[in-house]
Amino acid sequence: AQTVTQSQPEMSVQEAETVTLSCTYDTSESDYYLFWYKQPPSRQMILVIRQEAYKQQNATENRFSVNFQKAAKSFSLKISDSQLGDAAMYFCAYRSARAQKLVFGQGTRLTINP
Amino acid sequence: GAVVSQHPSWVICKSGTSVKIECRSLDFQATTMFWYRQFPKQSLMLMATSNEGSKATYEQGVEKDKFLINHASLTLSTLTVTSAHPEDSSFYICSASNRGLRDTQYFGPGTRLTVL
Repeated sequence: AQTVTQSQPEMSVQEAETVTLSCTYDTSESDYYLFWYKQPPSRQMILVIRQEAYKQQNATENRFSVNFQKAAKSFSLKISDSQLGDAAMYFCAYRSARAQKLVFGQGTRLTINP
Repeated sequence: GAVVSQHPSWVICKSGTSVKIECRSLDFQATTMFWYRQFPKQSLMLMATSNEGSKATYEQGVEKDKFLINHASLTLSTLTVTSAHPEDSSFYICSASNRGLRDTQYFGPGTRLTVL
């Protein structure tokens, strides 16, 4: 069974600085998708970024970018120019191309210090 | 785009009663909907997956007679918690997806259920 591990329960960063959240996963499949979701205090899950495993190019969305290392099964999220609104719980998730359901990591709580 | 709503956002009920939670995709047709449960400070736990017009597929350990899921249309899925008990108190979240959205799941805002 696939698993997703987020080894950092909590992280903090100064406003305007850069922070990287770690995520590793375990799978024997070659075709899959990886996601980062953000859950702010409102508890609304928001899609931050998506990566297809067959794409070598790392996905980016404005201040958010990933470092996808397929061989190492690593999928870290970099947040540049951190803003107070980035404070949230961040979940890394995996989905096999052959399945519909997501496998979530345990989450990393990100605090932004003004 | 890809907006999912849930209703109600919070509900309090007495033990033994049933509660229905609605999940709607507002601007797309959701061929697949998912129901999750989230305990405080924990990750999301998938309860079931439902495809429009088909019976839901429940995850191991989830009582299908207690958590009734109906996905009767491409924009609406409902979760009914039957004979609710205090241990059913939790935060319930739905998500929806379709192939046009590259099967990405978009989430509703969640429903907080408190059973007294």
